[in-house]
Amino acid sequence: GQSLEQPSEVTAVEGAIVQINCTYQTSGFYGLSWYQQHDGGAPTFLSYNALDGLEETGRFSSFLSRSDSYGYLLLQELQMKDSASYFCAVRDRKGGGNKLTFGTGTQLKVEL
Amino acid sequence: EPEVTQTPSHQVTQMGQEVILRCVPISNHLYFYWYRQILGQKVEFLVSFYNNEISEKSEIFDDQFSVERPDGSNFTLKIRSTKLEDSAMYFCASQPRTTGNTIYFGEGSWLTVV
Repeated sequence: GQSLEQPSEVTAVEGAIVQINCTYQTSGFYGLSWYQQHDGGAPTFLSYNALDGLEETGRFSSFLSRSDSYGYLLLQELQMKDSASYFCAVRDRKGGGNKLTFGTGTQLKVEL
Repeated sequence: EPEVTQTPSHQVTQMGQEVILRCVPISNHLYFYWYRQILGQKVEFLVSFYNNEISEKSEIFDDQFSVERPDGSNFTLKIRSTKLEDSAMYFCASQPRTTGNTIYFGEGSWLTVV
């Protein structure tokens, strides 16, 4: 089966940089996604890595190392609105589908 | 911007009752999903649906669950006889094409079984 590990909680101050790590175990790995979820809201897509390296999208960047089964989400210039839960999710090819298996989530608290 | 819409936003039902959760995926999307999230826990995959049939389902998706796409727009999740442990947020999601990387989630239907 698949398993993903993330820190449960991270706290940082406004304007800072924070990195949220994710390690995974899965068969038929296809890619690693990151989703943001505010309390009571829908998960929203942030980024996706299929190949090793860094993907940058504005203040957010995501990194993947397939050989290490490891990735991270980097948030720069933190804003209060970035306080949310962040989930890594693996996309696999098992069963021919495109389902995502989510990690347990990291709650990010941004403080003044 | 197109979005996935779900109804109801919140439903309270008695244990043993049948519940139908409805979803309207984004038009022209090809893959459809149901996920659930128990309060304070991670998002869990239930089922994926493609080309008018289930393409994959999880262990959670037992005989009490079923999905349908009765017409070209709606996608429903039915729970035949609800249990207390079915209380959760149920998210519908859709994906534009089989090789797409982005899954778009609806705002969810919060089910409370009492």
